Formats: sequence, structure tokens, C-alpha cells
Amino acid sequence: AQTVTQSQPEMSVQEAETVTLSCTYDTSESDYYLFWYKQPPSRQMILVIRQEAYKQQNATENRFSVNFQKAAKSFSLKISDSQLGDAAMYFCAYRTTNTGNQFYFGTGTSLTVIP
Amino acid sequence: NAGVTQTPKFRVLKTGQSMTLLCAQDMNHEYMYWYRQDPGMGLRLIHYSVGEGTTAKGEVPDGYNVSRLKKQNFLLGLESAAPSQTSVYFCASRRDTMLGTEAFFGQGTRLTVV
Repeated sequence: AQTVTQSQPEMSVQEAETVTLSCTYDTSESDYYLFWYKQPPSRQMILVIRQEAYKQQNATENRFSVNFQKAAKSFSLKISDSQLGDAAMYFCAYRTTNTGNQFYFGTGTSLTVIP
Repeated sequence: NAGVTQTPKFRVLKTGQSMTLLCAQDMNHEYMYWYRQDPGMGLRLIHYSVGEGTTAKGEVPDGYNVSRLKKQNFLLGLESAAPSQTSVYFCASRRDTMLGTEAFFGQGTRLTVV
């Protein structure tokens, strides 16, 4: 099974500043998908951004962008101009292209935004 | 459009009791998943289904059973609940389009086994 590692259990950032959350994964596949999901206190899982492994260009969604390094198996999330509403648990996820196409999740990074 | 709906949202069980968690999606998705979320462990896959009438085991299937009799519903059963099954359970369904792939999650069920 694939493994997804988030080495930062907790991070904090000043409002309006930039923060980067790290994620690494282990796989032997060449084709797969990567995601960042946000989980606020409401418990709802919200898709932040996704990246297809075959695409070399890093995905961006407004203030959110990723740094996808396929050879290094690294997939970090950068949040620019951090807002109070960004405070949440962030999960990195990997979707295999094998049978079942399961999603594998990291253990999460809890982000605090300081006013 | 309700998306993915889980029933119930909260439940307290006594050890040895049984229960069924219902997941319903109205998006006509083929793939559905059941996860459990525990502190410091992220989301771990319990069982999944690639279509009506099919189910398969995930990472942590022991103590759980599932059924997918209708495409829109994916049921998770606990036959004899144990305190180790205290967790938050999430159901998800998956959509694949030309624009990409995405998992849609329910709001979660907090289960406590005493």
C-alpha cells in the first residue's frame, strides 16, 4: 500500500503571511493523483487543490499552490496571504490508479492562523 | 443536490451492540468508500465499493462489514461493537471527469463505544 507522510503535526502562521505544509509519499506507480483536503472544526472534508502526476505544471487555486516534485515524491502546499478562515486540519492524499483506486491519507497538519 | 449524506451523525453504543451506518449519494458515482479517522492517524480505509453489488476490503476491515445493494447507498455494519471502534467515520464517493478526479465526503459520524 502507498504511504503518505506529513511530518508537521502542527504549524502556525501570522495572518497575511505565507506558510508551506509538507507532504511526501511512497509509490512505485508512475500515474497517480495527489490532493490537499482541508478539515475545519465542522469536520467537513473540503478539497483545496489537486494535481495529476502526469502534469508537470504545479496546480494553483487562488491563494493555494503546490510544489510537486515527482522524482522526490514530494507534494507541498503553499498558502499565501493567510486568512483566519484557513485555520484547519490539512490532509495530503494520494489516489492510486490500481484496482479500487483508493485514496490514501497522511496523518494531517493542524494549521493555526494568528491574528 | 445533497451530495453525500451520512446517517446518523452521532451515536453511542455499548460494547457488543450492533449498528449500521448509512451513506447515501445522489451523484450517481460508482466508487464509494468508508474511512475511519482517529487522532494522529489520519483517515484509514475500511472498505470500498467499485459499483453496485461489489465490495472490497481496505486497510482496516476487521470488525466491519459492508453492503452495496443499491448504487446510491453504501452501508457499514458493526456486528459486535468494541471500544477500539470508537472513532469518526467518513463515507466518500468519487467522481472522475475530464477535468480531474475528486472525492466527496459526508459530514462524518462520531461513534463512541462504551
